[in-house]
Amino acid sequence: DAKTTQPNSMESNEEEPVHLPCNHSTISGTDYIHWYRQLPSQGPEYVIHGLTSNVNNRMASLAIAEDRKSSTLILHRATLRDAAVYYCILLNNNAGNMLTFGGGTRLMVKP
Amino acid sequence: DSGVTQTPKHLITATGQRVTLRCSPRSGDLSVYWYQQSLDQGLQFLIQYYNGEERAKGNILERFSAQQFPDLHSELNLSSLELGDSALYFCASTAWGGYGYTFGSGTRLTVV
Repeated sequence: DAKTTQPNSMESNEEEPVHLPCNHSTISGTDYIHWYRQLPSQGPEYVIHGLTSNVNNRMASLAIAEDRKSSTLILHRATLRDAAVYYCILLNNNAGNMLTFGGGTRLMVKP
Repeated sequence: DSGVTQTPKHLITATGQRVTLRCSPRSGDLSVYWYQQSLDQGLQFLIQYYNGEERAKGNILERFSAQQFPDLHSELNLSSLELGDSALYFCASTAWGGYGYTFGSGTRLTVV
């Protein structure tokens, strides 16, 4: 399985943008880039996913590098409720479709 | 409410015992996945079912088994429990194609 590398933790101030990086240098052409987050005492929650183009939804934006070897999850205005562990996951639907979680990035949001 | 229901929310049992965790997937979802989350191992994939059939296996111990029933709910059976089996167990479901996985709120198992 192609692996991802994320910083263990990041800090942000409330109402400021947050850029969460993810490196995936061994990504294959059929790998989708997924982001999930896990709030304290809850199950993981889908955030966003993309293949090649940048994506936006109500929760976040996903910026994908042109060579697809890295991506960035962007929270436009962090709130205290965004404090969570964020997981960047590659998903190859050609090879079965279970999510393989790494360590993720623990985002701390300061008021 | 994510649409995936897991019961019970909490379970405390003794070593050597057997327990059953239950998961009802989101309406219309055919695939069910089980994950274990312990403090030192993170989220580990255990097993996947699709429409009643086992589809993929991960790091699932032989003492653990699962099944998916015709109504698509799934059960994870854990037997001969050990202290190290204490963890959060999550169930997730998705429609075929799997672009968005919906997780339940988990069952916290404590083995004493």
